[in-house]
Amino acid sequence: EPEVTQTPSHQVTQMGQEVILRCVPISNHLYFYWYRQILGQKVEFLVSFYNNEISEKSEIFDDQFSVERPDGSNFTLKIRSTKLEDSAMYFCASRGTATTNEKLFFGSGTQLSVL
Amino acid sequence: DQQVKQNSPSLSVQEGRISILNCDYTNSMFDYFLWYKKYPAEGPTFLISISSIKDKNEDGRFTVFLNKSAKHLSLHIVPSQPGDSAVYFCAASARGFGNEKLTFGTGTRLTIIP
Repeated sequence: EPEVTQTPSHQVTQMGQEVILRCVPISNHLYFYWYRQILGQKVEFLVSFYNNEISEKSEIFDDQFSVERPDGSNFTLKIRSTKLEDSAMYFCASRGTATTNEKLFFGSGTQLSVL
Repeated sequence: DQQVKQNSPSLSVQEGRISILNCDYTNSMFDYFLWYKKYPAEGPTFLISISSIKDKNEDGRFTVFLNKSAKHLSLHIVPSQPGDSAVYFCAASARGFGNEKLTFGTGTRLTIIP
């Protein structure tokens, strides 16, 4: 089965540093997402991206966050100045259509640790 | 903001028996519900879904039941197998309003005892 690939699997950074989390969605998919899960809590929606722009974002996705699809294959999440509370597992997801199938394919995640 | 709740953080079931995982929601705009399964160090994997126009959907050993009046859904796994041991997340969306995001519950850790 096709899969969503995320790199790195673990990222450790100092508070205040910028991090970029990378994702390669499934090749023919059009809708891209970032979710995160803080340890022991639920998986939370961050942002959705379609047609090279953000279609929806949550309150968590403030000015410190940005997403980009720099080429035809990668989808990145940038945190400009990391905070301790940004420590979480970040999941990228993609799907092919918006209307016929809500099934999301998730990557295996990047564990971000902010020290 | 707990629009989707899974009140049982864990559940242990004997192999071969039925596992029943429960989920409640509060947002009446939700019209599509999904179950995801997650193993450690992996992303959530889609298991089964149900639209609000149905009250039951079955796929092999997995059946999801939806009770709209009670705002409750459940996932039945029968017979339970050791490979079913994982964390199960209930999720919901309000597709009809162009809302693409999924709202997840906190998960239930299912352990199948051999």
